[in-house]
Amino acid sequence: QVQLVESGGGLVKPGGSLRLSCVASGFTFGDYYMSWIRQAPGKGLEWISHISSSGINTGYADSVRGRFTISRDNARNSLYLQMNSLRAEDTAVYYCARSTSTSCTWFDTWGQGTLVTVST
Amino acid sequence: EIVMTQSPATLSVSPGERATLSCRASQSVSSNLAWYQQKPGQAPRLLIYGASTRATGIPARFSGSGSGREFTLTISSLQSEDFAVYHCQQYNYWYTFGQGTKLEIK
Repeated sequence: QVQLVESGGGLVKPGGSLRLSCVASGFTFGDYYMSWIRQAPGKGLEWISHISSSGINTGYADSVRGRFTISRDNARNSLYLQMNSLRAEDTAVYYCARSTSTSCTWFDTWGQGTLVTVST
Repeated sequence: EIVMTQSPATLSVSPGERATLSCRASQSVSSNLAWYQQKPGQAPRLLIYGASTRATGIPARFSGSGSGREFTLTISSLQSEDFAVYHCQQYNYWYTFGQGTKLEIK
């Protein structure tokens, strides 16, 4: 079945770095745009980044632009999020999510999420 | 940025009754609107896209309507498993979500 599994979350100090991974299965990963979406504790959902099926095109929310980098390895069916200069307000559950073959659309498949906590 | 506003924040409804949830966009998003259901400790699940098209496997009691700036998610006869938080999301220009409506048992 179609599945996304995130990993790499944890506790990190302010200013630190973390790399999240998302492994896809059950579908042709290289055919789809992918995104990272986060949810701070008790808050709503916030889209933070997407990447085209080929990996050539990327987009970022203002809140993370210049600090986070999205990438993918279609041969490994994997999506990544490199997070640098982390702040307390980056504390959230981070989800990877599948979009469609085009750019801005809905998200039909989500991973279970990985928790990132930024704290001293 | 397109701001999505959901109302009410919390909706109390009895099982078997109808629930109506609203989502308003700060500017027109055409029909580029999706709805998600999220239960505690779980990832969101896609319910509706294109404002009114049910996603695969979604029961017919879920329906979406609207276009432009005003949208509605209706659950015709609430089942116990429907009590959750519902999020709307526009994808007309990048992606933004509403703050969510919590649907609770009355």
